[in-house]
Amino acid sequence: DSGVTQTPKHLITATGQRVTLRCSPRSGDLSVYWYQQSLDQGLQFLIQYYNGEERAKGNILERFSAQQFPDLHSELNLSSLELGDSALYFCASSVGVTNTGELFFGEGSRLTVL
Amino acid sequence: SQQGEEDPQALSIQEGENATMNCSYKTSINNLQWYRQNSGRGLVHLILIRSNEREKHSGRLRVTLDTSKKSSSLLITASRAADTASYFCATDPYGQNFVFGPGTRLSVLP
Repeated sequence: DSGVTQTPKHLITATGQRVTLRCSPRSGDLSVYWYQQSLDQGLQFLIQYYNGEERAKGNILERFSAQQFPDLHSELNLSSLELGDSALYFCASSVGVTNTGELFFGEGSRLTVL
Repeated sequence: SQQGEEDPQALSIQEGENATMNCSYKTSINNLQWYRQNSGRGLVHLILIRSNEREKHSGRLRVTLDTSKKSSSLLITASRAADTASYFCATDPYGQNFVFGPGTRLSVLP
């Protein structure tokens, strides 16, 4: 158990809808990272938050947004969903602001867009 | 090709044999990490090697790093069926956020 909790584990929705994925980082970790894993794109970095502030952006679509709350949990919002958004979405956390150490991954949220 | 690419894409061995996976990358890095992912599960950190290190061991794992060749290898000795998983290398190009390769799928047959 990594200590990172993600909900929901599975989500099935329709194109055009909006969903919110939630992540609680490991106790004491201030950084939260979101990754998307699909069969054709591999594991893609989306965005990082550190102590409530956006720290780094990767291949995140404009239809996607994220935030980190004062209690350090994070939410990833996916809107105007398309079939191609079907993927595993992982949250990871780490202690520091810079990505120099181990990332602790949650078990992921599997999104299926029909 | 991507920043980090594992080779081979898939590997199938018998229990007890050694498994070697390679990772090549393109840019200067500060650190390189290896992760394991069991099917549909989250990634689990295996080992981190810094750019000034050449070799690290952890249990049955041995990682080497050759910065002149921009490559790393992960050796799993005396493999077990439980080692069946995908293995990813992650590099931090120019010290930025870690980028993951597409992974090597390892199957260890009993």
